[in-house]
Amino acid sequence: DTGVSQNPRHKITKRGQNVTFRCDPISEHNRLYWYRQTLGQGPEFLTYFQNEAQLEKSRLLSDRFSAERPKGSFSTLEIQRTEQGDSAMYLCASSGRGRTDTQYFGPGTRLTVL
Amino acid sequence: AQTVTQSQPEMSVQEAETVTLSCTYDTSESDYYLFWYKQPPSRQMILVIRQEAYKQQNATENRFSVNFQKAAKSFSLKISDSQLGDAAMYFCAYRSALPASNTGNQFYFGTGTSLTVIP
Repeated sequence: DTGVSQNPRHKITKRGQNVTFRCDPISEHNRLYWYRQTLGQGPEFLTYFQNEAQLEKSRLLSDRFSAERPKGSFSTLEIQRTEQGDSAMYLCASSGRGRTDTQYFGPGTRLTVL
Repeated sequence: AQTVTQSQPEMSVQEAETVTLSCTYDTSESDYYLFWYKQPPSRQMILVIRQEAYKQQNATENRFSVNFQKAAKSFSLKISDSQLGDAAMYFCAYRSALPASNTGNQFYFGTGTSLTVIP
């Protein structure tokens, strides 16, 4: 068990550019979550996958945001036409099967939009 | 939607002393889970302790224990014998216990309490 990993750890981009983040969950976990965390705030839910199916999306997830989990393993989160307000830490978490499983978080990707 | 409130933005404790972090939540559900997560500076979030709402007994994990008051919708974290490594941001979180196919999978987090441990 190597834990949840995320790449890159830091991303600096110019406004208007597209960025993509990757999350590799714990290998036996079938559920994957994306959160956004801004300074001084707790994480806010963005979206949730069970295997390859995207089952929940927050209203926070505008049309510029898209997430995929094509084979039910790793996931990508893409932000198109980035805006300065997108600057935040993007956290990925995974959990195993069953109702009582806890989410385990990755180290996050810190996005800075200039 | 469920809300989680942490009314203490910052707390401090002397090393080896005990500190209690407060958390309240609002929900109409009867079956749910509550969590405390620790996020050290520039490091990832780590689970500290978990409580199932249907259990009356308060959860404990070594030096960490909770005071779960379901009727009052309160879920405080007590850290005993505080250590320098306990310094971090602590987040209280709520998760519904609805079946996985419903909307109960996301966590709702509070705004966090920054804990400083004084040597």
